[in-house]
Amino acid sequence: ETGVTQSPTHLIKTRGQQVTLRCSSQSGHNTVSWYQQALGQGPQFIFQYYREEENGRGNFPPRFSGLQFPNYSSELNVNALELDDSALYLCASSLVVRTGDNEQFFGPGTRLTVL
Amino acid sequence: DQQVKQNSPSLSVQEGRISILNCDYTNSMFDYFLWYKKYPAEGPTFLISISSIKDKNEDGRFTVFLNKSAKHLSLHIVPSQPGDSAVYFCAASYQGGKLIFGQGTELSVKP
Repeated sequence: ETGVTQSPTHLIKTRGQQVTLRCSSQSGHNTVSWYQQALGQGPQFIFQYYREEENGRGNFPPRFSGLQFPNYSSELNVNALELDDSALYLCASSLVVRTGDNEQFFGPGTRLTVL
Repeated sequence: DQQVKQNSPSLSVQEGRISILNCDYTNSMFDYFLWYKKYPAEGPTFLISISSIKDKNEDGRFTVFLNKSAKHLSLHIVPSQPGDSAVYFCAASYQGGKLIFGQGTELSVKP
């Protein structure tokens, strides 16, 4: 069973640029969620995708957008990068079969630095 | 508005003793709670979870207790081992949606 993978591992961008981060879900999972973790903080929810549709969004501006593909892999796109976007970006996948159970399994993350 | 709080940023425990990590929440609608462990440069690793219909769940050395009236959960690790040293996050969710995390507690288990 393959776990959650993310690419790239590290990324350095400058203000105003755009970035795309990628995630491959754990085999058999139908839901992917993205989180931002700033230094010294817990992960903050960005959005979730279930069967290719957005299924909830956190308090992040529209320049954060995402996609989920038929094979349940996912992308996180951030436009017009700002210095405060520097963080660890985590992807988590889960298999939603009934309301309640919600074990989400995380990838290793992508460390984004905005200069 | 911090809906999930871990008020202890750090905890130091002797090897073989019990580690108790605490977490408080404010939203009574939460129906599922989880604990994750995180090493530097890695993503969080799922440890143990509990549904709001239970008050205890056990898995090997790890036990999670849920006190709904106090809106409090705790993770007990017995016996603690040096390999348990990491940052521990509690998280809560409602109807299978987003996870809301606490700020984390750094556990150090000394030999």
